[in-house]
Amino acid sequence: DAKTTQPPSMDCAEGRAANLPCNHSTISGNEYVYWYRQIHSQGPQYIIHGLKNNETNEMASLIITEDRKSSTLILPHATLRDTAVYYCIVRVKGLGGGSNYKLTFGKGTLLTVNP
Amino acid sequence: SQTIHQWPATLVQPVGSPLSLECTVEGTSNPNLYWYRQAAGRGLQLLFYSVGIGQISSEVPQNLSASRPQDRQFILSSKKLLLSDSGFYLCAWGLAGAQDTQYFGPGTRLTVL
Repeated sequence: DAKTTQPPSMDCAEGRAANLPCNHSTISGNEYVYWYRQIHSQGPQYIIHGLKNNETNEMASLIITEDRKSSTLILPHATLRDTAVYYCIVRVKGLGGGSNYKLTFGKGTLLTVNP
Repeated sequence: SQTIHQWPATLVQPVGSPLSLECTVEGTSNPNLYWYRQAAGRGLQLLFYSVGIGQISSEVPQNLSASRPQDRQFILSSKKLLLSDSGFYLCAWGLAGAQDTQYFGPGTRLTVL
């Protein structure tokens, strides 16, 4: 799986959009970008994933650059409950066996939403 | 909808005591099941995964073992706990045949004293 780089921390004002960047310059053509978040003392929560096209769901939007070397997770209207560590993960989809079952979580970005 | 349960939520055990953590999934059939551990201030480490009843694969050698006695039940065990077994234990499930998105349970915080 390709390595990802994220800023260690970010702040965002409540009600504003939170834009979390992720660099994955070594991503290969069949690797997807996944985002999870972990609120303190809870299990990680799946947010969204994508391959090439931008994706949107009820939680967030994922913008992937045309060269796929970076992406941005957007929380359109951040709330205090969005304060969490956000993880960007790159992996191949749909392959089984051995380490392909493993999600490799880095250190992520601690997003703090301020009132 | 699918839900995943873990218990207990917290556990304090003495060194050398046995361990049994349970994870169950509702609302799906034949899921892939996973046990991860998160040590304090560190990332998640995959310990075991299972693609079916009785099928367990271990990712790292350790003091722990896993079992899957039923389709939607995954158990993490130890005969004798070590101090280094302390951590946040997370169970996750994913769709069989599409090993991408994994959904995590609430976790069990284990402290070994």
